Amino acid sequence: KAGVTQTPRYLIKTRGQQVTLSCSPISGHRSVSWYQQTPGQGLQFLFEYFSETQRNKGNFPGRFSGRQFSNSRSEMNVSTLELGDSALYLCASSLVLTGELFFGEGSRLTVL
Amino acid sequence: GEDVEQSLFLSVREGDSSVINCTYTDSSSTYLYWYKQEPGAGLQLLTYIFSNMDMKQDQRLTVLLNKKDKHLSLRIADTQTGDSAIYFCAEKDNQGGKLIFGQGTELSVKP
Repeated sequence: KAGVTQTPRYLIKTRGQQVTLSCSPISGHRSVSWYQQTPGQGLQFLFEYFSETQRNKGNFPGRFSGRQFSNSRSEMNVSTLELGDSALYLCASSLVLTGELFFGEGSRLTVL
Repeated sequence: GEDVEQSLFLSVREGDSSVINCTYTDSSSTYLYWYKQEPGAGLQLLTYIFSNMDMKQDQRLTVLLNKKDKHLSLRIADTQTGDSAIYFCAEKDNQGGKLIFGQGTELSVKP
């Protein structure tokens, strides 16, 4: 069974640009969560989707948004990028909203 | 609020046991997890324990839970150099599937 797939794995952007990251969950999993990992703040929860609905949202500015499609794939978008948005963005999927989370390899974003 | 604390570093010799400790604050957490992260990789789910259990064993891994003290530990028996990684403890938020992570413990295994 294929794991959680995130694309792109690496990307470099400049301040003010926007970025879209994609996540394909494990087949059959309907819940997708996103986390940001930085050396200073550690792992922080961004948002969580289940059946195309956002169920939970972390404490991030409105520049961070996401969505989930009918096939459970998810995207997150960050607009007006800042240097501090440089991070590893991790996507996780689970079978149900309260199930175990399985993580992808992450998308490493560098903002210059 | 919710908080999860871990010590930052642990160094052991190959073949010894490693014990990684974690404390959490949300007594209503239903599940507690241990994840492993190798350099440049995502998080690998190692094991988890339900809050009504005291202990769970899975091959070389033993998880101990002390609910009274809100203390969780992960013991790795016969630690190998391949176990060198960062280990994260996490509790599940009761409002949904959100995980609250500790800062991670970097385990260094010396030959």
